[in-house]
Amino acid sequence: EADIYQTPRYLVIGTGKKITLECSQTMGHDKMYWYQQDPGMELHLIHYSYGVNSTEKGDLSSESTVSRIRTEHFPLTLESARPSHTSQYLCASSVSGRTYGYTFGSGTRLTVV
Amino acid sequence: GQQLNQSPQSMFIQEGEDVSMNCTSSSIFNTWLWYKQDPGEGPVLLIALYKAGELTSNGRLTAQFGITRKDSFLNISASIPSDVGIYFCAGQLGNNDMRFGAGTRLTVKP
Repeated sequence: EADIYQTPRYLVIGTGKKITLECSQTMGHDKMYWYQQDPGMELHLIHYSYGVNSTEKGDLSSESTVSRIRTEHFPLTLESARPSHTSQYLCASSVSGRTYGYTFGSGTRLTVV
Repeated sequence: GQQLNQSPQSMFIQEGEDVSMNCTSSSIFNTWLWYKQDPGEGPVLLIALYKAGELTSNGRLTAQFGITRKDSFLNISASIPSDVGIYFCAGQLGNNDMRFGAGTRLTVKP
């Protein structure tokens, strides 16, 4: 059973709104990641963090921002949502020094109208 | 960066058939992993491989870590409808972040 939680599961929001997608994990993992995925398509890394106060941009450019004030919490924010932001956003976490792979959340399906 | 080439991109098979998919890289990895993503969910780890040549099974799933450390395959035997989903391979070198393949989309017809 996954110990990484994403809320909301689904979000429909109007253009120009500010939104925050929540991701929390209870496993004490130091590394956390955000991926963007269009339906049925590949995973694109947009942000990652190796620990508190550490955030980096991923391979795919994104207008979103992230913060890591607490180990367990890695929220993603869009200051002004646009239809092009419509996608699924997946959060994941892992432990440094171990190759057990990533644990993924169930994702947030975002639709901007 | 390290690129993973996963094939086939899609598969349409009949229930009961066996499935084979693979992943290759131009770079070596010391860990290969296979994930499955059900529609509307996040990927879930199926099998992890830690040594070149390693062959590991998990129920009807079998995966192998290639001898060259640049490839891996996943086999599913006697497919069932709930095998439907996207299968992702992933490679990791040391403590570096994982790289994912583009996925194999599996459809199983009853």
